[in-house]
Amino acid sequence: EAQLVESGGGQVKPGGSLRLSCAGSGFDFNSYTLAWVRQTPGKGLEWVSYITDNGNYIYYGDSVTGRFTISRDNAKNSLYLQMHSLRGDDTAIYFCARVSGDDYFDTWGQGTLVIVSS
Amino acid sequence: DVQMTQSPSYVSASVGDTVTITCRASQDISTRVAWYQQKPGKAPSLLIFAAFSLQRGVPSRFSGSGSEKDFTLTIRDLQPEDFATYYCQQANKFPLTFGRGTKLEIK
Repeated sequence: EAQLVESGGGQVKPGGSLRLSCAGSGFDFNSYTLAWVRQTPGKGLEWVSYITDNGNYIYYGDSVTGRFTISRDNAKNSLYLQMHSLRGDDTAIYFCARVSGDDYFDTWGQGTLVIVSS
Repeated sequence: DVQMTQSPSYVSASVGDTVTITCRASQDISTRVAWYQQKPGKAPSLLIFAAFSLQRGVPSRFSGSGSEKDFTLTIRDLQPEDFATYYCQQANKFPLTFGRGTKLEIK
């Protein structure tokens, strides 16, 4: 069974940085596009970033472009999200998700909470 | 960006009822829509993709329809485990966007 497990969340001050990780298992990690999606009570679900299987194509949502960097290490079955210049509106639960061939999210991690507050 | 307007925001129903949730896209997105179910404290779970294709393992009482701008998720013979929040998502164009959700509550 495919499984994704996030880690790295926590509380950080505005302007700070944080790195999220996501470990995949139970599927051929190398063959899938992966993504980060976040959720807040106020804005609901928001797609954050997306990286193709070999890392050749990367996309970001407008609200995080220039501040967040997605990457992956297929040898370690791991996905990452490096977050810089964090703001209060980045406070959210961050999910990693496996992306189907048609850009649907067919497997999700349990989420990791990021709180940006002084 | 493609806006996904989901309605209603809340719906109250009883076990055995049929419920329909709608999603309207701000532009033609063909059939590139998915529906997710989310229970409190859990991640969303894919129910329907490509507007009407049932994800493996999802009960057949869930069905999806629609094309272009208008889409529906129908749940027949509601079961206790179906009371949750449902989201639509468009996959036609970046940024990938979601509806605001419909909370299905027990009457």
